[in-house]
Amino acid sequence: DAGVIQSPRHEVTEMGQEVTLRCKPISGHDYLFWYRQTMMRGLELLIYFNNNVPIDDSGMPEDRFSAKMPNASFSTLKIQPSEPRDSAVYFCASSQTGLGPNTEAFFGQGTRLTVV
Amino acid sequence: AQSVTQPDIHITVSEGASLELRCNYSYGATPYLFWYVQSPGQGLQLLLKYFSGDTLVQGIKGFEAEFKRSQSSFNLRKPSVHWSDAAEYFCAVVAYGQNFVFGPGTRLSVLP
Repeated sequence: DAGVIQSPRHEVTEMGQEVTLRCKPISGHDYLFWYRQTMMRGLELLIYFNNNVPIDDSGMPEDRFSAKMPNASFSTLKIQPSEPRDSAVYFCASSQTGLGPNTEAFFGQGTRLTVV
Repeated sequence: AQSVTQPDIHITVSEGASLELRCNYSYGATPYLFWYVQSPGQGLQLLLKYFSGDTLVQGIKGFEAEFKRSQSSFNLRKPSVHWSDAAEYFCAVVAYGQNFVFGPGTRLSVLP
C-alpha cells in the first residue's frame, strides 16, 4: 500500500476562496482523522470518521469547515470561505478499528495551506 | 477525558549526549501509548508503541521508552543523540472507543 495519500501538497489561495483538501486512507482502515497543525496551537484533531461516519467533529473550528467521507477510500476537508488564519498544515491519518498490537495511526505527508 | 502532556516545549542537546523526553497521560485505565517523530516538512512517523507486557519498549532509530504506571508516564530515551534526530516528537494515547490524542510536542535541537 502507498500509505495515506493527501493532495495537494501545497495550496496557496486568496482569502474568500473555497479550498478542498483530499485524502485517501490506507485500504482496510476503518478510522480516518483530520488534523491541523500550527505553531501556536500544535496538532489539533478536527474531525474523525469511523466506517465513513463522522464520529466527533467538535474540533472543527467554525461552520466554514466541513468534512465528508463518501466512501471508504476518500475524504475531503473543505473550507469555504477561507481566511488567512486558516493557514496551517493539514494532516490526514488512518488506522484500523479495534485495539491490538497492530494499532497505529498512519499519517499522510500533509497539505500546507496558505491563505493570502 | 484522556489527555497527554509533554512538559518540555523545546530541548537542546549536544550530539552524542543522552536524551529523555517526558510524556504524561491522564486516563482512568492504561491506554495504548505511542511516540511519533516529525521531521521538518514531513508527516508523523511512528517510533514505538506500548500495549502491554514489558514496560521497556524498543523502537526504531535507537529509541526506547519506558512505561511507568505509578507515574502515568511514558518517557522516550536515547543514549546517544545524532544530528539527524533533530525533529519534533509527539506522544500519543488511544483507548478503546476513543480517538488518538496527541501531546503538544517537544522540539529537539541538536548541537554539533
